[in-house]
Amino acid sequence: DTGVSQDPRHKITKRGQNVTFRCDPISEHNRLYWYRQTLGQGPEFLTYFQNEAQLEKSRLLSDRFSAERPKGSFSTLEIQRTEQGDSAMYLCASSTRTGTGGEKLFFGSGTQLSVL
Amino acid sequence: GESVGLHLPTLSVQEGDNSIINCAYSNSASDYFIWYKQESGKGPQFIIDIRSNMDKRQGQRVTVLLNKTVKHLSLQIAATQPGDSAVYFCAENMPPSGGGADGLTFGKGTHLIIQP
Repeated sequence: DTGVSQDPRHKITKRGQNVTFRCDPISEHNRLYWYRQTLGQGPEFLTYFQNEAQLEKSRLLSDRFSAERPKGSFSTLEIQRTEQGDSAMYLCASSTRTGTGGEKLFFGSGTQLSVL
Repeated sequence: GESVGLHLPTLSVQEGDNSIINCAYSNSASDYFIWYKQESGKGPQFIIDIRSNMDKRQGQRVTVLLNKTVKHLSLQIAATQPGDSAVYFCAENMPPSGGGADGLTFGKGTHLIIQP
């Protein structure tokens, strides 16, 4: 499978614990995005990387969240001291340009986080 | 409130009929629009996009219409099939991201149900 892969698919943790998610983008894509999605809502942008550089962060990304893409390939998203409000699907996407000049995002299947 | 929204949370159509999913946006400065399809347990999948200098774009069995006067976007699916069952999201991009997905804002989604 040459799509975007995310690991783990599901994570259950207790409040206050730290969790880390991994994303492997499509290899030739330079841009990598993290989104969060709650039930019944569309994805919300968290942050994105151009190669290894983190270029944009959303207001949603509190200081408990940190993302890295050390070699410009895979990325990790860490949440420290998890709270119940962090429960959501965390989606990773990588992108390529479309014929209209916009960006086509290829999403992984996500990591479903449940904080008890 | 959200800048991108859907008129209906659920749309039920007969197999073989055409489906029309609507979306309203509030930011007249948005210059790029995308439709995504999300099946249960999967990440969103790109369907079709359109830039603000166009009013119609066609793909395979899908057509996107953009009415900038009333800030309305629609997705038409011809000859709906069981595999079209999913949640459909519209998303808009606001400059100055220049078409980059970091400025992408998703709506809440419409659940398309196909009746046999």
